[in-house]
Amino acid sequence: QKEVEQNSGPLSVPEGAIASLNCTYSDRGSQSFFWYRQYSGKSPELIMFIYSNGDKEDGRFTAQLNKASQYVSLLIRDSQPSDSATYLCAVNGPSGSARQLTFGSGTQLTVLP
Amino acid sequence: EPEVTQTPSHQVTQMGQEVILRCVPISNHLYFYWYRQILGQKVEFLVSFYNNEISEKSEIFDDQFSVERPDGSNFTLKIRSTKLEDSAMYFCASSAEPFGEQYFGPGTRLTVT
Repeated sequence: QKEVEQNSGPLSVPEGAIASLNCTYSDRGSQSFFWYRQYSGKSPELIMFIYSNGDKEDGRFTAQLNKASQYVSLLIRDSQPSDSATYLCAVNGPSGSARQLTFGSGTQLTVLP
Repeated sequence: EPEVTQTPSHQVTQMGQEVILRCVPISNHLYFYWYRQILGQKVEFLVSFYNNEISEKSEIFDDQFSVERPDGSNFTLKIRSTKLEDSAMYFCASSAEPFGEQYFGPGTRLTVT
């Protein structure tokens, strides 16, 4: 059974610092990797996706993927109080279950002003 | 920016009643999904739908659940005889490709009393 593990936190960082969020997954056949942000009582909002090993940057966000280590991370630079939310790691694949996302339990991030 | 919409935002029903949750996926997307999130728990996959048929379903998606695309825009989840444990947020999502990014709607909060 596929599993996605995240540190539940809470993780607190001061405003302007770098927040580092980590995720590991169990299924080596996983192909697509996503980071969602979820504010309390709201739906998951897609903020980053990555398919290949290495880094992918989008504004203040960088996703890192290491398939050999089965590890995905999200870096948030210049963290803002508005980044305070729960960050969900989600994994898609392998091909037998290509279309369903398996979610981690999320890491709660608090950015302190 | 195109978005997934869901109605109603909140549904209260009595145990044993039938409910229909409605979703309008993003217009050019071909893959549709339902997920649920019980309060304080992970987001869980229920079912995926493509080309007017179910592609995958989880163990949660038993005979009390069904999905339908009644017309060119709507995608529905029916729960036939609701139980107390069906109380959760139900999210609809859609994607353009099978391994692609899934975008979530705002959710329907289902409360079974």
